Amino acid sequence: GENVEQHPSTLSVQEGDSAVIKCTYSDSASNYFPWYKQELGKRPQLIIDIRSNVGEKKDQRIAVTLNKTAKHFSLHITETQPEDSAVYFCAAIKYKLSFGAGTTVTVRA
Amino acid sequence: EPEVTQTPSHQVTQMGQEVILRCVPISNHLYFYWYRQILGQKVEFLVSFYNNEISEKSEIFDDQFSVERPDGSNFTLKIRSTKLEDSAMYFCASSTGGPDEQYFGPGTRLTVT
Repeated sequence: GENVEQHPSTLSVQEGDSAVIKCTYSDSASNYFPWYKQELGKRPQLIIDIRSNVGEKKDQRIAVTLNKTAKHFSLHITETQPEDSAVYFCAAIKYKLSFGAGTTVTVRA
Repeated sequence: EPEVTQTPSHQVTQMGQEVILRCVPISNHLYFYWYRQILGQKVEFLVSFYNNEISEKSEIFDDQFSVERPDGSNFTLKIRSTKLEDSAMYFCASSTGGPDEQYFGPGTRLTVT
């Protein structure tokens, strides 16, 4: 089955700086890569996604990049704010959603 | 904005008891899912359901688990004989046209004592 690796496990950034989270996947047939944000005790929320026919996608301060050849994709958050503090999960889909282990992002004021 | 809802928010049960977790997916969604998240760990896929049958299931989803869509709005997960290791947060999710763009419910925290 699909195996998604995510790094780093924790990330602390100063408010206003950028945060980057990287993921790799194993199944080259995976074709959809969402990112979820989970605040403490709450549901995972879909924040951005990218499909395998696209290399980059941006939505305001959030961007995702995908390198199909290398089988890795990344989440970039610019101008981080305290409300960006959460656990972020990457995921890959072939027939089912396989999640990475999560990155706990802490934005220091 | 429509959301997936789940009940109860917290369920405490004794080992060996049966539990039913309930979900109401977003109304125009056709694909339904259950996931679990053990405290501090990643979200794990359990099962997907489409057209009144299971389409995918993980190795976690053994004979102790079953899913049902008893009516036009509810989607349930039953655990027949709970074990201590079933303690986790269980999330329901739904999507429109396949496994892409899944929206999650708030979860049910199951505690097995």
